Amino acid sequence: QQQVRQSPQSLTVWEGETAILNCSYEDSTFNYFPWYQQFPGEGPALLISIRSVSDKKEDGRFTIFFNKREKKLSLHITDSQPGDSATYFCAASLSNYNVLYFGSGTKLTVEP
Amino acid sequence: GGIITQTPKFLIGQEGQKLTLKCQQNFNHDTMYWYRQDSGKGLRLIYYSITENDLQKGDLSEGYDASREKKSSFSLTVTSAQKNEMAVFLCASSRTGQDTQYFGPGTRLLVL
Repeated sequence: QQQVRQSPQSLTVWEGETAILNCSYEDSTFNYFPWYQQFPGEGPALLISIRSVSDKKEDGRFTIFFNKREKKLSLHITDSQPGDSATYFCAASLSNYNVLYFGSGTKLTVEP
Repeated sequence: GGIITQTPKFLIGQEGQKLTLKCQQNFNHDTMYWYRQDSGKGLRLIYYSITENDLQKGDLSEGYDASREKKSSFSLTVTSAQKNEMAVFLCASSRTGQDTQYFGPGTRLLVL
């Protein structure tokens, strides 16, 4: 059973638009949700994360919205730039438990 | 700061061959991980190790062996390569008590 699901599989937006990437999870005990960004030929790198005690986390143009009741979260990228073109992975775990469960990723393309 | 080095960068093997991938980190992190990344399937955990000589199985451990020779290095062995197998193997590390995992650039495997 897939613990973390992401949609859409791919997304194309124009420069300046807001990209919305969606994620849902199965295990209600998960309390830590990082988003990783991966460029071609590189390993993923932590972009932003949220803990289940919060419903929103903002870092510049990147914002996570978290709905614990529905077990859903989303990553909003405002004023999207071509340099944001990458694959974004949502992940989930029990904090300090080591094991991260990753979604299958959303490939974002930002057209100039 | 620190860096994770994975060798080799590319690995071409034959069906049935035993193949070894190596990972080194200079973060002085306690925990190290091996993930497999297939196109469209996200990252799946193969093995992780919370300290030297420790091994913990992930969901995808069948067909693999691992070895944590010392704190800074973690090796993964594909025990019998499968024909037409193509994947990226990612090594990561994290500090005990911290959730952020830092990833290496990956080893790209192709089995002929």
